[in-house]
Amino acid sequence: SYVLTQTPSVSVAPGQTATITCRGDNIEDQNVNWYQQKPGQAPLLVVYDDVDRPSGIPDRFSAFDSEDTATLTINRVEVEDEADYFCQVWHVATNHPVFGGGTRLTVL
Amino acid sequence: EVQLVQSGAEVKKVGESLKISCKASGYGFNRNWIGWVRQKPGKGLEWMGLISPGDSEVRYSPSLQGQVTISADKSAGVAFLQWSSLKATDTAIYYCVREGSTFGYFDSWGQGTLVTVSS
Repeated sequence: SYVLTQTPSVSVAPGQTATITCRGDNIEDQNVNWYQQKPGQAPLLVVYDDVDRPSGIPDRFSAFDSEDTATLTINRVEVEDEADYFCQVWHVATNHPVFGGGTRLTVL
Repeated sequence: EVQLVQSGAEVKKVGESLKISCKASGYGFNRNWIGWVRQKPGKGLEWMGLISPGDSEVRYSPSLQGQVTISADKSAGVAFLQWSSLKATDTAIYYCVREGSTFGYFDSWGQGTLVTVSS
């Protein structure tokens, strides 16, 4: 089965840049999607198809992937960005979606 | 505006059956796959399965195949997740999700249904 590995936690001060990574074999060959989940809420799609943002998602959120690592970058981090972030791909070989284990972003 | 509204929290006993629902609105129900994602307490997201309401084709996670049934009433715009015999390990929040593109991403999520199964 295909595995996506995320760092369990990341901490950043307000106004700084947060970098959240997601590792998977040849992840650059797949479309990577990212979700934000705040405590007590349902997840929210923040990036899809590697680099696109749904309407309403600020341009402080960006993403890219290279070889085995996908990266979500949050510029000028705000307190409201504190949440769990999950990466996800649709793994073509197994024909089903796979989620990473999630990264908890703490804004100090 | 796309909305997925799920049925309320459930408290059940081990061995009981259960069917939870997800009412979709704001788009053509038959046009997008719709399905379920599980989140156990304090854990990550786990995909369970998807249904294409137009033709009722269903895809299940291999690890959950046979343990749940996903169905849809396309005339009512409602998707369902069903268990015939619950286990304590089924305790989780269950999210209804809509696929934004076929075999891609989940662009809309329901509010979640908490299912608690006790012995």
